[in-house]
Amino acid sequence: DADVTQTPRNRITKTGKRIMLECSQTKGHDRMYWYRQDPGLGLRLIYYSFDVKDINKGEISDGYSVSRQAQAKFSLSLESAIPNQTALYFCATSDVKTGSQETQYFGPGTRLLVL
Amino acid sequence: GESVGLHLPTLSVQEGDNSIINCAYSNSASDYFIWYKQESGKGPQFIIDIRSNMDKRQGQRVTVLLNKTVKHLSLQIAATQPGDSAVYFCAENIGRGSTLGRLYFGRGTQLTVWP
Repeated sequence: DADVTQTPRNRITKTGKRIMLECSQTKGHDRMYWYRQDPGLGLRLIYYSFDVKDINKGEISDGYSVSRQAQAKFSLSLESAIPNQTALYFCATSDVKTGSQETQYFGPGTRLLVL
Repeated sequence: GESVGLHLPTLSVQEGDNSIINCAYSNSASDYFIWYKQESGKGPQFIIDIRSNMDKRQGQRVTVLLNKTVKHLSLQIAATQPGDSAVYFCAENIGRGSTLGRLYFGRGTQLTVWP
């Protein structure tokens, strides 16, 4: 079973619609992240959370919001989707308790198309 | 802002040859570096990491070299196999602790292995 799962894996939506991407992890990690990936670019950080009560903006948080419902769940919302939010979205986790605390483990990604 | 980049966007090698993928970083405060492999349709997968107090680290068929003087990181893959074909990302971590520990990713290098 995958340690980091994302749902949905693929989604097509229309401009102006609200959409939520979900991430769950069974690794028991405290830290969770949301990234987007565009063709030819590396991953860019949208939001991150170091524990359930901690939410931080990343490089490109405008147009996005997040919710950390539990240690294992971190959701990303697009309140009013626009076409330039078409991208591949990844969730990641890391564990501050271990020696390799900065190592992040990624989910399989959600491919989002905004028409 | 910080810059993590790659010298070559694509690299083609013949099966059995060694591959070298390079990465430049600009922030001298970076203290931890990771190489990720991303296969088509999948999330980034951890390959190997190195801390700034080291200049070389070896894994199974992979070696990471760190030259802090010129802020350069490389990933060497020995006896490259078709299954190594993927996009490879370097990432740098700047700081650690309760408020830091974020990764910054390069744009990636596409490695293609020819039979």
